Amino acid sequence: DTAVSQTPKYLVTQMGNDKSIKCEQNLGHDTMYWYKQDSKKFLKIMFSYNNKELIINETVPNRFSPKSPDKAHLNLHINSLELGDSAVYFCASSQRGGPGWEDTQYFGPGTRLTVL
Amino acid sequence: DAKTTQPNSMESNEEEPVHLPCNHSTISGTDYIHWYRQLPSQGPEYVIHGLTSNVNNRMASLAIAEDRKSSTLILHRATLRDAAVYYCILRPYGGATNKLIFGTGTLLAVQP
Repeated sequence: DTAVSQTPKYLVTQMGNDKSIKCEQNLGHDTMYWYKQDSKKFLKIMFSYNNKELIINETVPNRFSPKSPDKAHLNLHINSLELGDSAVYFCASSQRGGPGWEDTQYFGPGTRLTVL
Repeated sequence: DAKTTQPNSMESNEEEPVHLPCNHSTISGTDYIHWYRQLPSQGPEYVIHGLTSNVNNRMASLAIAEDRKSSTLILHRATLRDAAVYYCILRPYGGATNKLIFGTGTLLAVQP
C-alpha cells in the first residue's frame, strides 16, 4: 500500500491556468507538508498543516493555496500559473509526537508540473 | 538555522563501503543530525538520525564526531540502488516547526 500518494504524477498546462495537485497519506499522521524542487534540484518547504491547521507558510505567493479537508489529505491549488512555477512538487507527512518532534517525514513520489 | 556542508559528489564501487561526510561547525547543542536521500525521480526518504552517539539501522550507520561539528553517513556495502543524492540536515530539538531545510546534498554514484 502506498503511504503517501500524489495525483497527478505529471501536469502540463498553459500559463494563466488554475490547477490542483492532490495528496493523501494512509499512515495516520497528523502533519502534512508541501515541498517544491526547482530545476536546480533545490528542495524547499512551502507549507505545513497539523490537524488541518496551517503551521508553516514559507512566503509563498498567495496564488498558492493549500487546503486540508481532513488529516489525511492536503491539496495544493495554484492560480494563474506562471512559467516559474514549473517544478516538482512533493507532499510529505509525519506524526508529530513528543517534545522533540524528531519524527520522520515520509514523502510522496512527486508531481512534475510544467507550465508552457 | 545551522548550516551543513557536504561534498557535491562522490563515487563508490559496488559492494564497497561508502563514507559520506558532513560538516556542521555551527551546530547547537539541541540540533539533531538527520540524513535523507533522494533516489532518481523519487521523493526523499529518511535514512538515519542521531544526536551525540553513533547510530545504526538497517540502512546505514551514522558516526558523529565527539565535538559534533561533523558526522559521517556510512553505507556498509554500496549497491547500485544506493545511487542517490544524500542530504545532511540539522533539526533543532523541540523546534517550533518540523520543517526540513535541505541543502545541495552529495550526489553518490555507484559503479558496478
